[in-house]
Amino acid sequence: QVQLHQWGAGLLKPSETLSLTCAADGGSFRGYYWSWIRQPPGKGLEWIGEVNHNGGTNYNPSLNSRVTISIDMSKNQFSLNLSSVTAADTALYFCARRSGNHFGWFDPWGQGSLVTVSS
Amino acid sequence: DIQMTQSPSSLSASVGDRVTITCRASQNINRNLCWYQQKPGKAPKFLIYAASTLQSGVPSRFSGSGSGTDFTLTISSLQPEDFATYYCQQSFSNPLTFGQGTKLEIK
Repeated sequence: QVQLHQWGAGLLKPSETLSLTCAADGGSFRGYYWSWIRQPPGKGLEWIGEVNHNGGTNYNPSLNSRVTISIDMSKNQFSLNLSSVTAADTALYFCARRSGNHFGWFDPWGQGSLVTVSS
Repeated sequence: DIQMTQSPSSLSASVGDRVTITCRASQNINRNLCWYQQKPGKAPKFLIYAASTLQSGVPSRFSGSGSGTDFTLTISSLQPEDFATYYCQQSFSNPLTFGQGTKLEIK
């Protein structure tokens, strides 16, 4: 049973870069998409983007210019970088594995990382 | 982008009640629809994929239906642990999008 564990800086100043990493314990990276999703306080879920085992990426156009998602197969890890953060990027960030078939469900999820952007 | 609209936004119900949550897509998504349950401060829990197929381990009181643009999640007999927020999500096309959530509260 794959488990995801994530970590990264929790407090940023405006204009800094958000960096989070997610590690997968057990299972293969192949055949899946490795995703990041965020949830502003008291609000709903927003898909940020994903990476596959070949390094191919898909990003949400709303964040496209600021997002980079990368993968390190040797460590079974994938990472999120979000540049030029503002207070609007304050959220609970989740990593998740998305199934590789066209039904595309997210399971499992990481435990979540609260990122606060404040001057 | 495909917009996902859930109704109601919140719902009060009692243990034992049957409840139905609706999710509407802004365009045809076939059966590319998933449901999740989220409790405060926790990651969402995956419940249903392909509109109606229960994930392994999900109680049979949960069921999903629909295709095209209109979908429902039904809980046949509410249990105390079911009080949470529920989200639908379309996997038909990028960007992947979620409904705004339905908060199920105890009456």
